[in-house]
Amino acid sequence: GQNIDQPTEMTATEGAIVQINCTYQTSGFNGLFWYQQHAGEAPTFLSYNVLDGLEEKGRFSSFLSRSKGYSYLLLKELQMKDSASYLCAVTGGGNKLTFGTGTQLKVEL
Amino acid sequence: NAGVTQTPKFQVLKTGQSMTLQCAQDMNHEYMSWYRQDPGMGLRLIHYSVGAGITDQGEVPNGYNVSRSTTEDFPLRLLSAAPSQTSVYFCASSWDRGREKLFFGSGTQLSVL
Repeated sequence: GQNIDQPTEMTATEGAIVQINCTYQTSGFNGLFWYQQHAGEAPTFLSYNVLDGLEEKGRFSSFLSRSKGYSYLLLKELQMKDSASYLCAVTGGGNKLTFGTGTQLKVEL
Repeated sequence: NAGVTQTPKFQVLKTGQSMTLQCAQDMNHEYMSWYRQDPGMGLRLIHYSVGAGITDQGEVPNGYNVSRSTTEDFPLRLLSAAPSQTSVYFCASSWDRGREKLFFGSGTQLSVL
């Protein structure tokens, strides 16, 4: 089976940097996704990592270590609009995609 | 480009009633899926389809039926609604199961009394 762990809640200050961690156990690994979900809205795609290393996309970066079963999402220059839930999702064997329960990020002034 | 269109946005049912949630996509995606999202549980896969005429069960399929007669449409049927089916439902599609990003519909808030 697949198991994904991420913190339930985090709080950060506008303009700061925050790192949201995700650890996973899976039989087979075919990729890791990060999605952003604002309250009352649908999830939207942020990033996809298949190989080890850092993928940078504007203010958002995502890191993957397959040997450690570990990923993080790094948000720089935080803005109030970044307050949302961040979902880690892992594709394991058989291309089965499993979502974590999400990290609720609150950005404060 | 409409993307994934999901209706209705809100629905209230009485226990035992049936209904169909509609989902349509205009991106020619082969893969379509239905999720439910409950507090503290994350998104859980109900049913999915890898192409017209092909459907399969996900993690929580009981009480739900699906069909895929066309590439565009993937309706979800609640056969006899139960309070445990109170949830937010999302339809999602992609070019490839598990290896391409999902495009989500706007969601359906369903309450079963």
